[in-house]
Amino acid sequence: AQSVAQPEDQVNVAEGNPLTVKCTYSVSGNPYLFWYVQYPNRGLQFLLKYITGDNLVKGSYGFEAEFNKSQTSFHLKKPSALVSDSALYFCAVTPSGNTGKLIFGQGTTLQVKP
Amino acid sequence: DVKVTQSSRYLVKRTGEKVFLECVQDMDHENMFWYRQDPGLGLRLIYFSYDVKMKEKGDIPEGYSVSREKKERFSLILESASTNQTSMYLCASSLPTGGNSPLHFGNGTRLTVT
Repeated sequence: AQSVAQPEDQVNVAEGNPLTVKCTYSVSGNPYLFWYVQYPNRGLQFLLKYITGDNLVKGSYGFEAEFNKSQTSFHLKKPSALVSDSALYFCAVTPSGNTGKLIFGQGTTLQVKP
Repeated sequence: DVKVTQSSRYLVKRTGEKVFLECVQDMDHENMFWYRQDPGLGLRLIYFSYDVKMKEKGDIPEGYSVSREKKERFSLILESASTNQTSMYLCASSLPTGGNSPLHFGNGTRLTVT
């Protein structure tokens, strides 16, 4: 079965420190990978995506993610966390050629403390 | 910017009622989706549509139906609401580009069935 796993329910970091939110996937074919962020009482907002090419992709708000095909991972990173980054983060994947139906992970709450 | 509008932020309905959740997008997107979001489970796809009058079941279609009579509008119908359908419902739209276009989400409808 195709799936996405976010192994940490919550990640806590201090403001100014680097952050990593982990994601691994299991899908057939070459996947398209996405990260979304959700602020309280809001819908999801697109952060970044990997389609092909450079394994390091850059997105909104200073976030980046690294695609690792051998480890089937797509971890979200940021060099210096802000308190305003505190939110719920979702990793999502779709096999290439799919019509856009995404498989989501269960979400990771990021808490950045001053 | 793409705008996806869900008609209600909060709804409270009684068991057995027929419930309509409405979603409208303003960017002429072909693809539209309904997800439900539950803590610890991430987002699960209920139904999706690639064109007017076209629909396909997602991962959890039982107890739901959909209607897409116009390109901009995608309605989710709970035929006979039950307490286990208490959840956050998210509508999304995207371009038909083989899965590499991000989804644009509405702010969600939090439905409580009593």
